[in-house]
Amino acid sequence: QVQLQQSGPGLVKPSQTLSLTCGISGDSVSNNRANWNWIRQSPSRGLEWLGRTSYRSRWRNDYAVSVKSRISVTPDTSKNQFFLQLKSVTADDTAVYYCAREIVGIAGFDIWGQGTMVTVSS
Amino acid sequence: DIVMTQSPDSLAVSLGERATINCKSSQSVLYNSNNENFLAWYQQKPGQPPKLLIHLTSVREFGVPDRFSGSGSGTDFTLTISNLQADDVAVYYCQQYYNTQTWTFGQGTKVEIK
Repeated sequence: QVQLQQSGPGLVKPSQTLSLTCGISGDSVSNNRANWNWIRQSPSRGLEWLGRTSYRSRWRNDYAVSVKSRISVTPDTSKNQFFLQLKSVTADDTAVYYCAREIVGIAGFDIWGQGTMVTVSS
Repeated sequence: DIVMTQSPDSLAVSLGERATINCKSSQSVLYNSNNENFLAWYQQKPGQPPKLLIHLTSVREFGVPDRFSGSGSGTDFTLTISNLQADDVAVYYCQQYYNTQTWTFGQGTKVEIK
């Protein structure tokens, strides 16, 4: 059974970097038929896909235009996990952050992490 | 980005009756190469992440009751919940993936018991 376990701070100061980790069990971050995603949810923005990392003979990333200049999603094959880094955060980045798996050809996120409420405040 | 618009924003349905949720995309999400519509539906209950119910417009996930069904093509899609049960009270979202390699979600439809 595939599970995703999120970890990271729930409070980040404005202008600093938001960093979250998503640990994978029951699958591999190097699975060449999976994409590993970050999605956030807030009352003002709804559900917003942020970005993903995937392995297709080499690592590739895709990012939402809205955060492209500030985001990094990276894998850690040694610990079978992946990370989200979002730089220069503002109060507008306050949201519940989720990691999620997407299997190629399914066109949907079938496995989700439990969610992390991140508040940007001094 | 492709904009997904759901209607209604909320609806109240009697137990055992049918709930119908519509989702309209600002442009077609039909892949001509394989004739598939990359459209998914999710159910979200309070304090939980969204749960994938249906992918590729009409394919139910394993374990999803057959009272949930999806249909549509191009820009117009529908999620139908037949024989509504108390456990179906939730917010439902549609989601698309198209060649911009960017996922977008609808704003959500809240389903309640009348």
